[in-house]
Amino acid sequence: KAGVTQTPRYLIKTRGQQVTLSCSPISGHRSVSWYQQTPGQGLQFLFEYFSETQRNKGNFPGRFSGRQFSNSRSEMNVSTLELGDSALYLCASRSSPGTGQAGELFFGEGSRLTVL
Amino acid sequence: AQRVTQPEKLLSVFKGAPVELKCNYSYSGSPELFWYVQYSRQRLQLLLRHISRESIKGFTADLNKGETSFHLKKPFAQEEDSAMYYCAPSRRTSNTGKLIFGQGTTLQVKP
Repeated sequence: KAGVTQTPRYLIKTRGQQVTLSCSPISGHRSVSWYQQTPGQGLQFLFEYFSETQRNKGNFPGRFSGRQFSNSRSEMNVSTLELGDSALYLCASRSSPGTGQAGELFFGEGSRLTVL
Repeated sequence: AQRVTQPEKLLSVFKGAPVELKCNYSYSGSPELFWYVQYSRQRLQLLLRHISRESIKGFTADLNKGETSFHLKKPFAQEEDSAMYYCAPSRRTSNTGKLIFGQGTTLQVKP
């Protein structure tokens, strides 16, 4: 099976702009989670989607939003970018209960966002 | 509050030496505990989970509920163990993709 795919891998934006990141989960995985990774804060949970519904949300401002499509692909959007949004954004997908791998997250390589 | 503490940012040992990466957590209820690893230029991936009680790549981790710790141990470190290690609890009662990650510990195994 192909792994979790994230696009774009790298992008540079300026303050005030918005950005959309995309994530394609492993085939058959219906849960997609997003994490922000920075040297100072480490890995922080943004949100989780399952069957097109947001199930969990982390402590990020409303500028951070996401959605999931019927094919389980997910996007996250950050509006009005700030310098502090520069980070590696990781997407992870998860299999369903009862498959023997429940709970294990499979991560993508990430989208590295630089805000100037 | 849910919190994970990995007190060491960097742990440097020689090949063949024992390794212990510490993890202490504060989590309501009875969490499930995971260790994730990120090797250089590779994706973050699951190393092991406490509920499996298994040894992966020679690593084991014992959940100590009294001390709320989940330390990762290996008796003889290898150079290929050099990586960033993250401890992460998750809510046990339901499947969730929400993990609370620690700050991570970089393990450096010197030849």
